[in-house]
Amino acid sequence: KNQVEQSPQSLIILEGKNCTLQCNYTVSPFSNLRWYKQDTGRGPVSLTIMTFSENTKSNGRYTATLDADTKQSSLHITASQLSDSASYICVVTPFTGGGNKLTFGTGTQLKVEL
Amino acid sequence: GAVVSQHPSRVICKSGTSVKIECRSLDFQATTMFWYRQFPKQSLMLMATSNEGSKATYEQGVEKDKFLINHASLTLSTLTVTSAHPEDSSFYICSANVQGGTMYQETQYFGPGTRLLVL
Repeated sequence: KNQVEQSPQSLIILEGKNCTLQCNYTVSPFSNLRWYKQDTGRGPVSLTIMTFSENTKSNGRYTATLDADTKQSSLHITASQLSDSASYICVVTPFTGGGNKLTFGTGTQLKVEL
Repeated sequence: GAVVSQHPSRVICKSGTSVKIECRSLDFQATTMFWYRQFPKQSLMLMATSNEGSKATYEQGVEKDKFLINHASLTLSTLTVTSAHPEDSSFYICSANVQGGTMYQETQYFGPGTRLLVL
C-alpha cells in the first residue's frame, strides 16, 4: 500500500471554479509535506512546503492545509485557470535525522476547461 | 527559487548505444542530487542518490552498471544509460536539495526532465 494516497485520481473543472485535492499519508514521523505541480513532459515545480508543525501555507491561488493528527493534507486552488491543468503531487519527507528520500503520492490529474 | 537544468531535453537513440544526461544546479551548489524515472501516468521513482565526490547510492532493483552516475562537481551530475534498450525509454528527472531555514524546510528542486526514446 502506498504511504501517500491522493484523491481524486483525476478531476475536470470549469475555468474560474475552485477545487480541493486531498492527500492522506501514513509516513510517520515526517519532516515536511510538499505539494508539487507537474505539467506534462516537465519536471515537478514546488508549490508549498509545510513542516510538521504548520497547518496552512499559501502561494497565490494555491492554499495547502495540513492536519498532522489525522495525517491529511489538502491543496485548494482558487479561481482556476486553464494553465492550472497539470498533475498535482503530494510528497512527504520521512524524518530520518536529515535524510531526504521523498515519498511521492500517486498524483491528481487536473484538467481545467472553458 | 533554485534552478536545476537538464540536457538534453529529449533524445532518441538506437538500441545498444549509450546516452548521457546532464543535470546542473545553476545558482547553487548541490552536494546531493537525485535521479528519478517516470513512466506515463505514474509517479516518480527514485533510481539513485548522487553524492559529490563519492559513489552513488542505488535503489533496490536499479542496475548500477546499467545506469552510471557521476557527480564530479558541486553543480553537475550525469546519468549514463549504457547499452540502452527500448524498455529504458522513459522520462528521466533529476533533482537537488536546497536547505531552508531548518532541516525540516529542505526543498527539492527538480529539473525539467529528459525524454529518452530507444528505438
